[in-house]
Amino acid sequence: LAKTTQPISMDSYEGQEVNITCSHNNIATNDYITWYQQFPSQGPRFIIQGYKTKVTNEVASLFIPADRKSSTLSLPRVSLSDTAVYYCLVARVLMNTGFQKLVFGTGTRLLVSP
Amino acid sequence: GAVVSQHPSWVICKSGTSVKIECRSLDFQATTMFWYRQFPKQSLMLMATSNEGSKATYEQGVEKDKFLINHASLTLSTLTVTSAHPEDSSFYICSARDAGTSGRGNTGELFFGEGSRLTVL
Repeated sequence: LAKTTQPISMDSYEGQEVNITCSHNNIATNDYITWYQQFPSQGPRFIIQGYKTKVTNEVASLFIPADRKSSTLSLPRVSLSDTAVYYCLVARVLMNTGFQKLVFGTGTRLLVSP
Repeated sequence: GAVVSQHPSWVICKSGTSVKIECRSLDFQATTMFWYRQFPKQSLMLMATSNEGSKATYEQGVEKDKFLINHASLTLSTLTVTSAHPEDSSFYICSARDAGTSGRGNTGELFFGEGSRLTVL
């Protein structure tokens, strides 16, 4: 599975847009890019997933350039409750069995201040 | 959305005892479950892949005789930490993949439990 690299930490203020970039230079053709959020003492929670171009859901957007060697998670107008660790993962999809296992990288610790 | 439940959410035990943690998929069937361990301020580390009806596949460096995994049904996987020691104190998290969505090219999401915090005295 492709290794991911993302900033260790980021700081922001309420109401701002936060963009967290992740690099995955060795991404393979069958790999999907997935982002999870984790609060202290809780299991990770799925945020968004994409393969290429742009994906948007009710909580975030995911931008993936044509070469797919990086991706950017965009959180619009963050609030204090968005303070958490955000993990970028690359997961390989096998058509017969679904997702392969997910291997977590270091994650980005986002701190949102008033 | 799909729910994965872990029990107990926290447990304290004496050194040398064994502790069992359960992971249940509440509203879907999971042929595959994953067990992770997370130390404070660190990322999740994959321990093993649990497959229903067969032996678990352990990641390199994880002692299979220390961490016993059983996946006897499509909704339950258990992790038993045998002869626990203080260094086994950690946050153990399971995740499950919905068997109903696999095989259709559905990337879907991996559903995670709430985690179980083990403290070994």
